[in-house]
Amino acid sequence: DQQVKQNSPSLSVQEGRISILNCDYTNSMFDYFLWYKKYPAEGPTFLISISSIKDKNEDGRFTVFLNKSAKHLSLHIVPSQPGDSAVYFCAASTNTGTASKLTFGTGTRLQVTL
Amino acid sequence: NAGVTQTPKFRVLKTGQSMTLLCAQDMNHEYMYWYRQDPGMGLRLIHYSVGEGTTAKGEVPDGYNVSRLKKQNFLLGLESAAPSQTSVYFCASRLPGRFGTGLSNQPQHFGDGTRLSIL
Repeated sequence: DQQVKQNSPSLSVQEGRISILNCDYTNSMFDYFLWYKKYPAEGPTFLISISSIKDKNEDGRFTVFLNKSAKHLSLHIVPSQPGDSAVYFCAASTNTGTASKLTFGTGTRLQVTL
Repeated sequence: NAGVTQTPKFRVLKTGQSMTLLCAQDMNHEYMYWYRQDPGMGLRLIHYSVGEGTTAKGEVPDGYNVSRLKKQNFLLGLESAAPSQTSVYFCASRLPGRFGTGLSNQPQHFGDGTRLSIL
């Protein structure tokens, strides 16, 4: 049972345009969401997060939107740059207990073309 | 500026062999995690630890054991390797507490992974 879903395995966007990566979840107990970026042969690196009490969080070129009623979040990258080409993982956490275990989606490979 | 270091980076084992993967972090983090990543799947939690001397099972713990004898180290052991354990293994660490509460609003920091092949 995949509780966090990234239905698009890949996405290709032209440099300078907007990249939109989507993520859906099924567990209504999730209350914190994160995006990680992963380059080949490296570990995931934290990109941006959002609490369930917010519907938007922005950090430079990156903005995450949360729609709780639809159980959907999205990551917007504007403008997209070639260095953004990587695999992006959506992850979710619940505030039950202190270990803050993450449930990851399957990832979306973003390719930013020149 | 090491962060989270995993050793080894690559390893090939034969079925039935045993080995230990080492994760070391120099950030004084209380919590540590072991994940595996398989093609077409996200990272899945194997075991985790909330402090020195404590461990707990994650989503896919079968066939693995862990130990946290020192705060900075988290070991993942395979007692009798099976081909189904061929995967890329990631270790992560973070500060304690819960997301959404001020000081404890910290993400997990990952190592660069260990690629393990079992023949």
